[in-house]
Amino acid sequence: GGIITQTPKFLIGQEGQKLTLKCQQNFNHDTMYWYRQDSGKGLRLIYYSITENDLQKGDLSEGYDASREKKSSFSLTVTSAQKNEMAVFLCASSIDNSAETLYFGSGTRLTVL
Amino acid sequence: GEKVEQHESTLSVREGDSAVINCTYTDTASSYFPWYKQEAGKGLHFVIDIRSNVDRKQSQRLIVLLDKKAKRFSLHITATQPEDSAIYFCAAKNTGYQNFYFGKGTSLTVIP
Repeated sequence: GGIITQTPKFLIGQEGQKLTLKCQQNFNHDTMYWYRQDSGKGLRLIYYSITENDLQKGDLSEGYDASREKKSSFSLTVTSAQKNEMAVFLCASSIDNSAETLYFGSGTRLTVL
Repeated sequence: GEKVEQHESTLSVREGDSAVINCTYTDTASSYFPWYKQEAGKGLHFVIDIRSNVDRKQSQRLIVLLDKKAKRFSLHITATQPEDSAIYFCAAKNTGYQNFYFGKGTSLTVIP
């Protein structure tokens, strides 16, 4: 079996700060995703990547950048953290872009002061 | 775009009883409906799915029903156990697109 590792587990930032979240997978999966989970809301797709160096915007991409420099890693940058923002960011992967089972990491919990 | 409504935000059942979680969707083009379970402090993990070419699927104690006419699908957990306590998310996907649309989640508590 494989694992998805997200770092850091907890991230505290200041308003206006640029913050980077990292995700590594050892499944050798082609496709990776970043979802945002807000309390009381469903997961919303921020970015996904079909393969190394590919980036595709999801419904919630404004305010974020992403980078997929290696097949095994996918990072997400909050370009300017919003005051009082609190959310969990979940990274996921799938075998390829036609596969329909997602494998999730345990998340990065963001708090902006 | 697709909207998935998950009707129960919380659900409590006694151990051994059945639990039912209901979801509706709006996009008739959605054809794949997975369910995920999230335990405290962890990411989601896949539990069961159903495709639009069938209306029922069972895996051990889990049953998924799909009513395409009503655009409704449901997860039935039979003979519940305390370890079934978690948040359950339904989702819908059009197989031609990459995005999964998730419901808000149902927090299930199984009371021993």
